[in-house]
Amino acid sequence: QLQLKESGPGLVKPSETLSLTCTVSGDSISSYYWNWIRQPAGKGPEWIGRIFTSGTTFYNPSLKSRVTMSLDMSKNQFFLKLRSVTAADTALYYCARDPGYYDSRSYFDHWGQGMVVTVSS
Amino acid sequence: EIVMTQSPATVSVSPGEGVTLSCRASQSIRTSLAWYQQRPGQAPRLLIYGASTRAAGIPARFSGRGSETDFTLTISGLQSEDFALYYCQQYHDWPLTFGGGTKAEIK
Repeated sequence: QLQLKESGPGLVKPSETLSLTCTVSGDSISSYYWNWIRQPAGKGPEWIGRIFTSGTTFYNPSLKSRVTMSLDMSKNQFFLKLRSVTAADTALYYCARDPGYYDSRSYFDHWGQGMVVTVSS
Repeated sequence: EIVMTQSPATVSVSPGEGVTLSCRASQSIRTSLAWYQQRPGQAPRLLIYGASTRAAGIPARFSGRGSETDFTLTISGLQSEDFALYYCQQYHDWPLTFGGGTKAEIK
């Protein structure tokens, strides 16, 4: 059974970099698109971006200047870095899989449990 | 970007009753629409994609309809586990965007 789990610091200071890891178990990350999505409290989700197992990335234009995604096939993990964070980046962060095998569907069939990241000094 | 608007924000339903939730796109998205259910403290769960195709393991009481800009999710005979938040998401154009959600609460 495919499982995703987010990990990383739950508290980040303003202007610093938010770094999260998504560990995938139950299947290889090979040949799929992997996504980061966040959800501020009381609001709908916001798609941050995605990475394919080739390393190709695509980001939400609203965050593109601050986001970097990468992956480590040997550890079955992918990563999110969000630079220069502010309080507006406080949210529940999810990693999620696009079910398309080599062929992106652009919706999400497996999600991690989510991780709250608070930006505060 | 395409803005997704869901209505109503909250709907009160008695167990066993049916309910229809609405989602409107700011421009045509054909049938590139997914619906998710989010129970308290849980991650979203994919219910519907392609506007009307149920995802694996989703009960038949969930049905989706619509195209272009107007979409609905109908739940027939709500069960206790169906009282949750529901989100729509378009994947017709970038960036992918979600609606603000509709909460189905017990009446």
